Amino acid sequence: GAGVSQSPSNKVTEKGKDVELRCDPISGHTALYWYRQSLGQGLEFLIYFQGNSAPDKSGLPSDRFSAERTGGSVSTLTIQRTQQEDSAVYLCASSSPGQGGETQYFGPGTRLLVL
Amino acid sequence: LAKTTQPISMDSYEGQEVNITCSHNNIATNDYITWYQQFPSQGPRFIIQGYKTKVTNEVASLFIPADRKSSTLSLPRVSLSDTAVYYCLVGSLRDSNYQLIWGAGTKLIIKP
Repeated sequence: GAGVSQSPSNKVTEKGKDVELRCDPISGHTALYWYRQSLGQGLEFLIYFQGNSAPDKSGLPSDRFSAERTGGSVSTLTIQRTQQEDSAVYLCASSSPGQGGETQYFGPGTRLLVL
Repeated sequence: LAKTTQPISMDSYEGQEVNITCSHNNIATNDYITWYQQFPSQGPRFIIQGYKTKVTNEVASLFIPADRKSSTLSLPRVSLSDTAVYYCLVGSLRDSNYQLIWGAGTKLIIKP
């Protein structure tokens, strides 16, 4: 089946504008993650959805960032009033956690550039 | 939560075996250890996962000592295409709480 897809693949916006990034997880995966990766850096956790539970938002850097997951499938990450420091690659991953460990399947990312 | 530490970079040559070690002194009883590979402009890709002792698959082996405070990813007979960043991930998912700790990544460069 299809893997995780993200759109748009690239986004250029002006400082102060709002942006929406979309993630389509693998069908049937109950867990969904958003990460941010700045150039040459590691993964920064943003938010985690698991089934119908309240999401873990502990990684969101400010209240300008929010995310939702509709119907347990597609997720949208919204950044309001974008700042230049928001420029990064935003990665989405999904998994189907079991009793033991789990494998995260990543999308190709959305490259966000804030001018 | 476990803190995950790995070398920033490593160099090796084609045909050699490469070992990348990750330290995770505060690993919890339920935590698994997972390694991912990331090429430029792509998302990370799962390589291998283990809980204790040794795990082997078609691309790598993972060695975990009895105290589980470290783990070593072993790549046999590397090629130029193994040049990538390798991430160590420690943790487990508990209900709706994200309890996974990513290492900062090891940039592996394979030379001809």
